[in-house]
Amino acid sequence: ETGVTQTPRHLVMGMTNKKSLKCEQHLGHNAMYWYKQSAKKPLELMFVYSLEERVENNSVPSRFSPECPNSSHLFLHLHTLQPEDSALYLCASSQDMGTGKTEAFFGQGTRLTVV
Amino acid sequence: AQSVSQHNHHVILSEAASLELGCNYSYGGTVNLFWYVQYPGQHLQLLLKYFSGDPLVKGIKGFEAEFIKSKFSFNLRKPSVQWSDTAEYFCAVRGGSYIPTFGRGTSLIVHP
Repeated sequence: ETGVTQTPRHLVMGMTNKKSLKCEQHLGHNAMYWYKQSAKKPLELMFVYSLEERVENNSVPSRFSPECPNSSHLFLHLHTLQPEDSALYLCASSQDMGTGKTEAFFGQGTRLTVV
Repeated sequence: AQSVSQHNHHVILSEAASLELGCNYSYGGTVNLFWYVQYPGQHLQLLLKYFSGDPLVKGIKGFEAEFIKSKFSFNLRKPSVQWSDTAEYFCAVRGGSYIPTFGRGTSLIVHP
C-alpha cells in the first residue's frame, strides 16, 4: 500500500468508448500527477495539479481530459482513444510546499488497452 | 529545463555481483535526487532520496547512491545483488520546479 489508490487496475476499451481512470490519495498531499508509462519509453508526465489547479499540461492530446475535484482525488477522462494510447497510466502525489516537500508517491497504475 | 540521463538501459548480473547504475542530470541549481524501483507487476517505490546534507545516501534493501555535484551525477550502487533485485530502476531529479523528471529507466536482471 502506497497511500495512492488507482482504479481500475486493468481496462480494455474500444476506440469509441468513454471511460475514466480514478486516483485517490490518503496522504494529505497537495500535488497530484498523471504519468504515462509505455514499453521502452521514459515515464511521460501528462498533467500536474497543485492545490486543485492544473499547473502543467505536457502537450497531451485532448482525448485525455483530467479533473481534480479536490486535493485527494484525480480523474483522467478518456474518449476516442487510439491503440497507441495503450499503456500503464500512473497517478502520483507529493507535498510541494516549503520545507515539507516530499518525494512522489505512486499508485499501482491502470493498465489500459485500446482495441 | 531539467533532464535525466541513465546510461545503462539493460544490465544482466549474476547473484553476488556488484551493481552500479549511472545517472546524470542537467540542472544548474539546487536539486533533489531520487532512485525509484519497479518490481515486475508492482508500483514505483522509492529506494532512496537526496535532499541535502551527506552526499552518500543509504536506502532500503542495501542500496546506496552518491551525489557528486561537480559531475552532476547520482549513481546507484549495491555491493552484492540478489535475484530479488530484478526490476526496473528509475533515476529522477527535481530542480526549480517541484515536479520530478524521470530517466528512461534501467532494466536489471539478476541470474540466480
